[in-house]
Parts: sequence; structure tokens; C-alpha cells
Amino acid sequence: RKEVEQDPGPFNVPEGATVAFNCTYSNSASQSFFWYRQDCRKEPKLLMSVYSSGNEDGRFTAQLNRASQYISLLIRDSKLSDSATYLCVVYGGSQGNLIFGKGTKLSVKP
Amino acid sequence: DAEITQSPRHKITETGRQVTLACHQTWNHNNMFWYRQDLGHGLRLIHYSYGVQDTNKGEVSDGYSVSRSNTEDLPLTLESAASSQTSVYFCASSELGSANEQFFGPGTRLTVL
Repeated sequence: RKEVEQDPGPFNVPEGATVAFNCTYSNSASQSFFWYRQDCRKEPKLLMSVYSSGNEDGRFTAQLNRASQYISLLIRDSKLSDSATYLCVVYGGSQGNLIFGKGTKLSVKP
Repeated sequence: DAEITQSPRHKITETGRQVTLACHQTWNHNNMFWYRQDLGHGLRLIHYSYGVQDTNKGEVSDGYSVSRSNTEDLPLTLESAASSQTSVYFCASSELGSANEQFFGPGTRLTVL
């Protein structure tokens, strides 16, 4: 089983839609979790950290389920500018560094 | 403003040549990382450093080396470039503590012919 797995998509949604991404991780000892955003041909940037209690930042909500070892990202009221690849990132992999998922591509259409 | 820069942004080289990619950060971060990103693989860790004179191998370190002589720079060297090393390379840095947010440079697109 890969350390961090994501559905690659693409998710094609209309503006205003709500879309959710899930990510699973294999190491139950993982300690920290993040969502990064990567625009086409650009560098990844931190979108939000994921806390055990769940957290919200505007239209974005992140959830962590330790028992099932998955992380989710919910985007409400999608904007054209949300089009990007979303990377699930876990700290606590076998080398003690951040482990990146391959990303889920989101395309928001007018 | 603090930043992390990479040079060159684009490089074409020939098989067998030595290539060095530069990474410079002004965040004064202790931790620095090199990743490569390829279609179908996502970001993979090549080497990382937790401070001056400290270097460690990552998941895909074969054929690459790094050195850390100061806080600001972590150059990545391909000793003898191979076509399999054609990729986009990202440098990143973070504050002390491996779980902290990593700030990425703009990337170097390397083509080995």
C-alpha cells in the first residue's frame, strides 16, 4: 500500500458547486497532515493544515479520521480560481519527512 | 520579503555531464529539501538537510549529491546526468521541526538529452 493515496481525478465541476477530496495514508503513527495546492507548472503552496478536531478556512474545510486513516478536503461554492491540483501531505512517513500524495486535479468550469 | 529562489529555471544538458542546480533561501530556515516531480509519481524527496554540514538521503538519492556550507544555500549536483533525471526539481525550506510548513522555490525544469 502506498504511503499516501489520492484519487487523481480530474474532478470537473461547475462554479458554485461543492466538491470533496479524500486521501488515505498508511502509517498509523503519522502525526501531522496538510493540504497543499499546486497550480499548473508552479510550486506547491500550503493551503491548510488538518487538525484532529477538523478545521475551516473560509470555503475550505479539512477533516481528519485517524481511526480510518483518511483526510478530506471540502470546497464549498467553487470558484474558477480554485482550479488546481490539491496535494495531500502527511508527516511521519518512514523517513520522518513530509510524504506527498500524487495530487487530485480540480477543474472548475463557468 | 524573505524568499526562496532557484537557478537556472530551465536547463538542457547532455547525458554524462555534471549539472548543479542552485537553491537559495532568505528565510533563515534550518531545514532545506530537494524534490523531483514527475508525471505519475508526485513529489519525491531526493536529499535534505537539517542544518549546516548536515545532509541526508531521501527516497530517490542515487545519482544526486548535496552539500550545505551555509544556512542559505543547498546546491543539488547531478554527478553524471542521465535521461531518467529529466524532471522538474523543487527546492523547499522550513523552520526547525520536520512537520512545519515547507516553502517551495519556483522549480527548475531540467532536460537531459
